[in-house]
Amino acid sequence: DVKVTQSSRYLVKRTGEKVFLECVQDMDHENMFWYRQDPGLGLRLIYFSYDVKMKEKGDIPEGYSVSREKKERFSLILESASTNQTSMYLCASSLAGGVYEQYFGPGTRLTVT
Amino acid sequence: RKEVEQDPGPFNVPEGATVAFNCTYSNSASQSFFWYRQDCRKEPKLLMSVYSSGNEDGRFTAQLNRASQYISLLIRDSKLSDSATYLCVVNMGLTGGGNKLTFGTGTQLKVEL
Repeated sequence: DVKVTQSSRYLVKRTGEKVFLECVQDMDHENMFWYRQDPGLGLRLIYFSYDVKMKEKGDIPEGYSVSREKKERFSLILESASTNQTSMYLCASSLAGGVYEQYFGPGTRLTVT
Repeated sequence: RKEVEQDPGPFNVPEGATVAFNCTYSNSASQSFFWYRQDCRKEPKLLMSVYSSGNEDGRFTAQLNRASQYISLLIRDSKLSDSATYLCVVNMGLTGGGNKLTFGTGTQLKVEL
């Protein structure tokens, strides 16, 4: 079974703090993704990576950065957290190519106060 | 116009009913299509891929109409356990080597006794 794990299920941070969200997958997938999910807006892609040290902006990259130093690990960084970044963050991974299923982690509910 | 559009529902149906969801997409160059299921407070999981010829998996049937740019999901003999949010997902094509999926906001289904 594919397993995607995320470092925290719930996280509370203060405005201006630097926040790290970690994601690890155990299936040797090339592609990894970070989404945020908000009511009425659905899942929106923040960043994705198709190889180690490679990254591409998604639809809403502003205020975020990512790091992929190892194939199995993809980190999302909020350089200076703001209240409008309060959301559910979901990591996903997939094999390379256009038709493969994306497997999601359980999500991190981040609250910025 | 949203890239992927769904009726948010909720669709409240009695157990045993047949229910259908539609989803429209804006990019005629879209290459692959999926339905994901998301239970309350859980991560999305692939329900089924949608093929040009249509496909069936037990009580679930998915259809694609490229000319009208919509996909549909039909659930027959609804069960209580089918209660979930159904996400329409479209692959707009490869970008930088990755497979970027665009998610609809989901249609909520509630199956009642």
